[in-house]
Amino acid sequence: QKEVEQNSGPLSVPEGAIASLNCTYSDRGSQSFFWYRQYSGKSPELIMFIYSNGDKEDGRFTAQLNKASQYVSLLIRDSQPSDSATYLCAGDTGNQFYFGTGTSLTVIP
Amino acid sequence: DTGVSQDPRHKITKRGQNVTFRCDPISEHNRLYWYRQTLGQGPEFLTYFQNEAQLEKSRLLSDRFSAERPKGSFSTLEIQRTEQGDSAMYLCASSAGGRRNTIYFGEGSWLTVV
Repeated sequence: QKEVEQNSGPLSVPEGAIASLNCTYSDRGSQSFFWYRQYSGKSPELIMFIYSNGDKEDGRFTAQLNKASQYVSLLIRDSQPSDSATYLCAGDTGNQFYFGTGTSLTVIP
Repeated sequence: DTGVSQDPRHKITKRGQNVTFRCDPISEHNRLYWYRQTLGQGPEFLTYFQNEAQLEKSRLLSDRFSAERPKGSFSTLEIQRTEQGDSAMYLCASSAGGRRNTIYFGEGSWLTVV
């Protein structure tokens, strides 16, 4: 059973701060990892993907992957109230994407 | 809008009835996935198609669920003899496959079984 573990939160940060979201995964064979954002009542929306160890930056978002520790993280800089959502971490086995339960983030104005 | 279309967006049905959902993937995508999501949970994998071939199906999926992708384009997910526990959002996603496979979700189909 492929699993992703996330802290369900809720995580609260003030506007302008850095939000740090983390997940660990069980399948060492998974090569690709993803972060999706999901607003209440909506479907997941892709934010970032990362395939290699290290950091990947895209605007205010930075994804980090450490395959030795089986750890993936997402940093959101200069957090905005519009970033308030649930963030889902996912891995790819090649035939399916498997998701964590998500971390709820609230950015306080 | 990712380009993945799902229909209907909302469905209320009585227990024991059959329901069918349709998904139209992004046109150049050969892979199609179905997921189910309930409140407070992440999306749960149901099944995966590459073109018209159903390559993987969750062992959690009961025999009341069936999915098809007859011509490798749109897909349908049918739930027979619905139960209250089937109430959830059913998500379709598609991807182009390849070494850097990335899936994109449709807006989802909400099912309420009363």
